[in-house]
Amino acid sequence: EDKVVQSPLSLVVHEGDTVTLNCSYEVTNFRSLLWYKQEKKAPTFLFMLTSSGIEKKSGRLSSILDKKELFSILNITATQTGDSAIYLCASPGAGSYQLTFGKGTKLSVIP
Amino acid sequence: DVKVTQSSRYLVKRTGEKVFLECVQDMDHENMFWYRQDPGLGLRLIYFSYDVKMKEKGDIPEGYSVSREKKERFSLILESASTNQTSMYLCASSPWSDSNEKLFFGSGTQLSVL
Repeated sequence: EDKVVQSPLSLVVHEGDTVTLNCSYEVTNFRSLLWYKQEKKAPTFLFMLTSSGIEKKSGRLSSILDKKELFSILNITATQTGDSAIYLCASPGAGSYQLTFGKGTKLSVIP
Repeated sequence: DVKVTQSSRYLVKRTGEKVFLECVQDMDHENMFWYRQDPGLGLRLIYFSYDVKMKEKGDIPEGYSVSREKKERFSLILESASTNQTSMYLCASSPWSDSNEKLFFGSGTQLSVL
């Protein structure tokens, strides 16, 4: 059974802090790992990672994949209150149409 | 931009009622999905469809059915709603391509069954 595990499940930080969110996976026929941000209702796509060691970056957010150790991290630098959201990690695994999601990390950024 | 529209943001129904959740996408995507999201459990796949009139069970199909008569529309049906189906329901779509794992989500329907 495919498994995606995120940690921590929740996190409270102050504005300006740097945070690291973790995602480990056990997935048959691994192809990719995806990160989503869910602020109110609709998760929005952040990154898709397929290769080990190559950092993907978008503004203050960055992510990297380690296919040997089977994990990914999402870094957010200089956090802002607008970064408060649930961050979801997912992988398609054995069934190419089906994303297996982790339970998410709820990030709260306080002023 | 891809738009996935779910017909209702909030819905309150009574136990035993038949409930229809509608989802429409405007990007001609082949694949469409229904997930439910519950605190502490994350997103779980109910059903998906990779073509008109085609459907496949996800991880938790019990108590649900789906309909895909047109490419752009994917409906989730609760034949007889029960209180344990109170949840956030998310529809998603993706194209038939090498990156079909990149899903585009609707804004969700918060369903309460009383």
